[in-house]
Amino acid sequence: QVQLVESGGGVVQPGTSLRLSCVASGFTFTNYDMHWVRQAPGKGLEWVALIRYDGKNDFYSDSVKGRFTISRDNSKNTLHLQLSSLRAEDTAVYYCARDNYRTTAYSYYFDFWGQGTLVTVSS
Amino acid sequence: SSALTQPPSVSVAPGKTARLPCEVHNIGSKSVHWYQQRPGQAPVLVIYYDNDRPSGIPERFSGSNSGNTATLTITGVEAGDEGDYYCQVWDDNSDHRVFGGGTKLTVL
Repeated sequence: QVQLVESGGGVVQPGTSLRLSCVASGFTFTNYDMHWVRQAPGKGLEWVALIRYDGKNDFYSDSVKGRFTISRDNSKNTLHLQLSSLRAEDTAVYYCARDNYRTTAYSYYFDFWGQGTLVTVSS
Repeated sequence: SSALTQPPSVSVAPGKTARLPCEVHNIGSKSVHWYQQRPGQAPVLVIYYDNDRPSGIPERFSGSNSGNTATLTITGVEAGDEGDYYCQVWDDNSDHRVFGGGTKLTVL
């Protein structure tokens, strides 16, 4: 069965960096684009970043562009998110999610999610 | 992409029908996907491509999409359906994913 397990969250000070990881299992990792989605305490879901199946292209929300970097190691079935110049408003649970789509329809959705890892940015 | 608008809360009695709207101009031209998030848990896909159900999702869950409104409908609502529901679309200009603000479903 598909499993996504995040790790790396914690309490950090503003301006510092952190690296999140997501280990995937139960499917052929190299066949899928992958995402990070976050949820601030008591708030809704916010899409953060996307990386293509081969790691050659990535995309970011305006709120994190230039500060966060998504990457993947297909040899280890692992997705990463490097968070830099962290701000209080980056405090959230960070989920990794698998992308999927129907070849006959032009749209994309998240078919599996991890349980998330909490990042708290506080002085 | 423009923001997707969802009402903050919807309440319904057990056994009744809940209708959760997701609105933006001309949303009917896009495919809409829906996620359920129970308290303390990760989101789960319940409807994709407007009205398709993943395996394991009860037939009580259905969707529609036309004009400026997409709707998630839950018939015969149960206590276990309580949680937050989010609509999501794909922005074909940027390749970004866009979520609605979410609706908290309360079963009275």
